[in-house]
Amino acid sequence: GIQVEQSPPDLILQEGANSTLRCNFSDSVNNLQWFHQNPWGQLINLFYIPSGTKQNGRLSATTVATERYSLLYISSSQTTDSGVYFCAVGYGGGSNYKLTFGKGTLLTVNP
Amino acid sequence: GAVVSQHPSRVICKSGTSVKIECRSLDFQATTMFWYRQFPKQSLMLMATSNEGSKATYEQGVEKDKFLINHASLTLSTLTVTSAHPEDSSFYICSARGAGWPMNTEAFFGQGTRLTVV
Repeated sequence: GIQVEQSPPDLILQEGANSTLRCNFSDSVNNLQWFHQNPWGQLINLFYIPSGTKQNGRLSATTVATERYSLLYISSSQTTDSGVYFCAVGYGGGSNYKLTFGKGTLLTVNP
Repeated sequence: GAVVSQHPSRVICKSGTSVKIECRSLDFQATTMFWYRQFPKQSLMLMATSNEGSKATYEQGVEKDKFLINHASLTLSTLTVTSAHPEDSSFYICSARGAGWPMNTEAFFGQGTRLTVV
């Protein structure tokens, strides 16, 4: 199956700092999503971004599908941004579709 | 956005009993639902994929007789952990994907169920 690697595994920031999280994947994919898992375990959809660039407030994401990587940018970080950020890639069609997760980046934003 | 509701959010059961977890898509028809398991401080591991009206497809190493999955309608899938043991304690999360654009693009997740077997 497809391998999904995220970096860095852990990241500690001061409030107000910017950060970039990276997701590399080993093969062509149909879909790519970024999630934030809050302290209660809920996965929040951040971006659906199989290619191109999207922005939503202080967050933006870019996927370069031909080079098999995606980046998540967090600007002016806040303590509420803390949590685990997952990249997940979707591949296969119809009943064979799968969404495979990376190991995540644990972000801690200190006041 | 699309809403997926998972119930219960937390359950404690005795060893040897069975537990059923429900996953419902509230505002769209979920042709495909996925069940994941997450251990503390680890990633989500896909257990099985279910398509409405079909048998579930289990990932390698997942016991289908242990983890029974039913997807009888376009809005409901259930995961039953049979004869639960302490090693089955974990966080279980469901995900749903619809049919046709745009609902067949993103996957949406339930709140998760924390199962503790004592």
